Amino acid sequence: DAGVTQSPTHLIKTRGQHVTLRCSPISGHKSVSWYQQVLGQGPQFIFQYYEKEERGRGNFPDRFSARQFPNYSSELNVNALLLGDSALYLCASSRRGAYGYTFGSGTRLTVV
Amino acid sequence: QQQVKQSPQSLIVQKGGISIINCAYENTAFDYFPWYQQFPGKGPALLIAIRPDVSEKKEGRFTISFNKSAKQFSLHIMDSQPGDSATYFCAPANTDKLIFGTGTRLQVFP
Repeated sequence: DAGVTQSPTHLIKTRGQHVTLRCSPISGHKSVSWYQQVLGQGPQFIFQYYEKEERGRGNFPDRFSARQFPNYSSELNVNALLLGDSALYLCASSRRGAYGYTFGSGTRLTVV
Repeated sequence: QQQVKQSPQSLIVQKGGISIINCAYENTAFDYFPWYQQFPGKGPALLIAIRPDVSEKKEGRFTISFNKSAKQFSLHIMDSQPGDSATYFCAPANTDKLIFGTGTRLQVFP
């Protein structure tokens, strides 16, 4: 079975630009969450979606938004990029909630 | 603010030794206590997890010990191997999110 797939794997953007990151969950998983991992730190929760509805949001500014599609894949959008947004963005999926999350390998975003 | 404190920050162990990593949390609403293992360039991978109604869980060389009253849980890696060299995160959770600790970098030398 394919794991959680994320695209792109690496991305370089300029300050002020917009970025869209994509995630395909494991087949049968309806819960998708996004985490931000700054170098040297633990991942920080951004969003959780279950059955296409937002079920949780972390302490991130409104520049961050996400959505889940009918096939349970998800997008994370970040507007007006700042240098501090440079991080590894991780997507995780499960059948429900945060229990037994499987993470993808992430998208490495560099803002210059 | 939910806080999760993990110790030590780094750990060096000889091959065959025991690695012990500790995690302390504040939020009594957590009902799921996992440990994740992360290799460079990869996402975290679930290693072992425990529910609060159990005090210990063992899977192969990995054991979680859970102390509900102290709000602490720990990971024990028996017979540590060089392939165990990675960063380990505790990440207590409730329904909607994992709260990750700061991480412990484990190095196992042959």
